[in-house]
Amino acid sequence: AQTVTQSQPEMSVQEAETVTLSCTYDTSESDYYLFWYKQPPSRQMILVIRQEAYKQQNATENRFSVNFQKAAKSFSLKISDSQLGDAAMYFCAYVYSGAGSYQLTFGKGTKLSVIP
Amino acid sequence: GAVVSQHPSRVICKSGTSVKIECRSLDFQATTMFWYRQFPKQSLMLMATSNEGSKATYEQGVEKDKFLINHASLTLSTLTVTSAHPEDSSFYICSARDVRGRAITNYGYTFGSGTRLTVV
Repeated sequence: AQTVTQSQPEMSVQEAETVTLSCTYDTSESDYYLFWYKQPPSRQMILVIRQEAYKQQNATENRFSVNFQKAAKSFSLKISDSQLGDAAMYFCAYVYSGAGSYQLTFGKGTKLSVIP
Repeated sequence: GAVVSQHPSRVICKSGTSVKIECRSLDFQATTMFWYRQFPKQSLMLMATSNEGSKATYEQGVEKDKFLINHASLTLSTLTVTSAHPEDSSFYICSARDVRGRAITNYGYTFGSGTRLTVV
């Protein structure tokens, strides 16, 4: 069974600084997708970034980028120039991209605080 | 972009009554709907997966007779909490997968805004 581990329950960062959230996963599959979702206090799940396992290039979305290490099964999220609006719960998620139920497997989350 | 409308956003009900939560895909066809439960400061816990026109598949430990899921059309799925009790109080979130799957930027997952259920 696939598992996703986020080892940092809480993190904090100074406004305008950079922070990295960790995520590791376990799977025997070679084709899959990885995601980072943000859940602000409103509790709406917002997609931050997505990475296809077959792509070697790390995904980037504006201030958000990932460090995808397929062999190490690691998928960290880097937030640059942190803003107050980045404060939220962040969930790492995995889904197998082959035929099947397409269920997302979530990590337990990391609560990010941004200090003004 | 793809939108899932989830209603109600908040509901308070008396113990023993039933509550229905609706999730509608507004501009796409939701082949599959996932229903999650989230306790405070915890991750999303998958309760069940439903495919349009089929019976839902429930995760281990989830009472199918208590949490009734209907996915009768490609745009509507409902979760009914029957004979609700205070321990059913939680945050419920739906997530829809577009029939086109990979064609959607986020690989076809769109989340509703959630329903906070309080049973008194």
